[in-house]
Amino acid sequence: QVQLQQWGAGLLKPSETLSLTCAALGGSFSGYYWSWIRQPPGKGLEWIGEINHSGSTKYNPSLKSRVTMSVDTSKSQFSLNLSSVTAADTAVYYCLMFYYDSSDYYFDYWGQGTLITVSS
Amino acid sequence: SYELTQPSSVSVSPGQTARITCSGDILASKYARWFQQKPGQAPVLVIYKDTERPSGIPERFSGSSSGTTVTLTISGAQVEDEADFYCYSAADNGGVFGGGTKLTVL
Repeated sequence: QVQLQQWGAGLLKPSETLSLTCAALGGSFSGYYWSWIRQPPGKGLEWIGEINHSGSTKYNPSLKSRVTMSVDTSKSQFSLNLSSVTAADTAVYYCLMFYYDSSDYYFDYWGQGTLITVSS
Repeated sequence: SYELTQPSSVSVSPGQTARITCSGDILASKYARWFQQKPGQAPVLVIYKDTERPSGIPERFSGSSSGTTVTLTISGAQVEDEADFYCYSAADNGGVFGGGTKLTVL
């Protein structure tokens, strides 16, 4: 059973860069897609983006200019960078590893979530 | 960009059937997934491909689709089903979540 463990600095100042890493423990890392989701306090889920095993990325248009995602298959890890953060980026950030195939069979694994606070 | 619209809240008594809808143009051509989120926890997938239920999800959870609307049905809702529910769909250029529906069972 795969478990996702995520980490990163929890308190940032405005204009700094948010960096989060997620590691997959206890199972295969190949053949999946990797994604990041965030949830501002008391609000709904927001899709940030995803990266596939070929390194191709898709990003939320509202964040695209500030987001970079990468994957290191040798370490079974994937990462999120979000530059020039503001208070509006304060949220719980979740990493997500999912599988789907041509028949749309799907399953996923979620990280535990990391609260990122942006404050001066 | 695409949008998915959900009711903000649904309330039922234990044992009743709860129905949560999700509407959006993208649903006419793309499948939906449903996630359940309880306070302080990560979301959990309860339905994928509009109607498929992952292993381990109770049979009382089901999904349906018609045109640009998908519906999550909880037949015989239980107190432990109380949570926020989110629909999700993925366009070719990215994904989108609905705004979420708070299900109250009491």
